[in-house]
Amino acid sequence: QKEVEQNSGPLSVPEGAIASLNCTYSDRVSQSFFWYRQYSGKSPELIMSIYSNGDKEDGRFTAQLNKASQYVSLLIRDSQPSDSATYLCAVNNNQGGKLIFGQGTELSVKP
Amino acid sequence: EPEVTQTPSHQVTQMGQEVILRCVPISNHLYFYWYRQILGQKVEFLVSFYNNEISEKSEIFDDQFSVERPDGSNFTLKIRSTKLEDSAMYFCASRADRDHYGYTFGSGTRLTVV
Repeated sequence: QKEVEQNSGPLSVPEGAIASLNCTYSDRVSQSFFWYRQYSGKSPELIMSIYSNGDKEDGRFTAQLNKASQYVSLLIRDSQPSDSATYLCAVNNNQGGKLIFGQGTELSVKP
Repeated sequence: EPEVTQTPSHQVTQMGQEVILRCVPISNHLYFYWYRQILGQKVEFLVSFYNNEISEKSEIFDDQFSVERPDGSNFTLKIRSTKLEDSAMYFCASRADRDHYGYTFGSGTRLTVV
């Protein structure tokens, strides 16, 4: 069974701190990796994609991929209360584009 | 910014009834998907659709489910005979081409089967 695993949290950080979210995946042929943000009762919103090993930065967000360790992470710098949401890790391993989602990590940023 | 539009936002139906969930993907997108999320659980893949046919489906997508793109703009999910366990948020998603796997999700339809 191809799985994507995340700590469900909640992860609580103070405003202005760095939030670190982690994800592991089991299928070594996985090709594309995504972080989605989901507010309660809303749909997932794509915030980062990463396809090759290393870091990718976009504003306050940095995604890190280590294919050898089958590990993806998301760092959120200068966390804001509006960042409080559930963060979903998703993995694609075929041309058809099907995404396999993790359970999500609930992040709470305290003012 | 282009959006994927889903209607209705909330549907309540009696067990055994047929429901059709509707989606209008972004106009230049070529790949279409349905996912569902039971309350408190993971987002789960149901089906992918490309070039007017199903390209992949999950174990959840059994004979009770079907998809259709009847007119080049709408993309529908039909559940023939709903069960209580079909209660979930259903998300439609689309993407532009083979090289961009980041989806745009619609706002979802909350289906409640009573």
